[in-house]
Amino acid sequence: EAQVTQNPRYLITVTGKKLTVTCSQNMNHEYMSWYRQDPGLGLRQIYYSMNVEVTDKGDVPEGYKVSRKEKRNFPLILESPSPNQTSLYFCASSLVEGATYEQYFGPGTRLTVT
Amino acid sequence: EDKVVQSPLSLVVHEGDTVTLNCSYEVTNFRSLLWYKQEKKAPTFLFMLTSSGIEKKSGRLSSILDKKELFSILNITATQTGDSAVYLCATGTYKYIFGTGTRLKVLA
Repeated sequence: EAQVTQNPRYLITVTGKKLTVTCSQNMNHEYMSWYRQDPGLGLRQIYYSMNVEVTDKGDVPEGYKVSRKEKRNFPLILESPSPNQTSLYFCASSLVEGATYEQYFGPGTRLTVT
Repeated sequence: EDKVVQSPLSLVVHEGDTVTLNCSYEVTNFRSLLWYKQEKKAPTFLFMLTSSGIEKKSGRLSSILDKKELFSILNITATQTGDSAVYLCATGTYKYIFGTGTRLKVLA
């Protein structure tokens, strides 16, 4: 089954404790992206990647890091989480070129930073 | 600054009604406009529009793009309670901008 998976699905952590949210896709997509979703603000892009070793900032990259060492994986790293990073996070993937650029979204990770 | 604005913010209708959701955009290097439906989980893809005036249709849902006036509409005819969701539009070129969505509630 074609899918984007994220882990963990739920996470409660404390300020300053480094964490990684994993994202993996099995569709051989070149493009992957991370979003956060907050009430009233909609989906905002954090980082995206056009292919292995190619990443770029979205609208809200501060406080986050990413890496793309393999085509299927695109982890999101919070080196020193803060309460304002409490949010619902989505990973997505798509083709770079083709008939459609629809993004397939993962199930989401709900992060709470206390 | 790139932006996407959706209206209305929310809408309550009765089953069988027809609704029109609006999405206006200002972005550089336009490539496509996408519509998604989000229930209590991840967004799911509805339509991708790249050309003006060509309607995309899927069942009771349809959408059209006007690249001159920089907007798109999503129409839902004969609404059902299962159409209750947040509808998102987005545009951009790899760096995507999403609107804040229109929350649709369909009453039985």
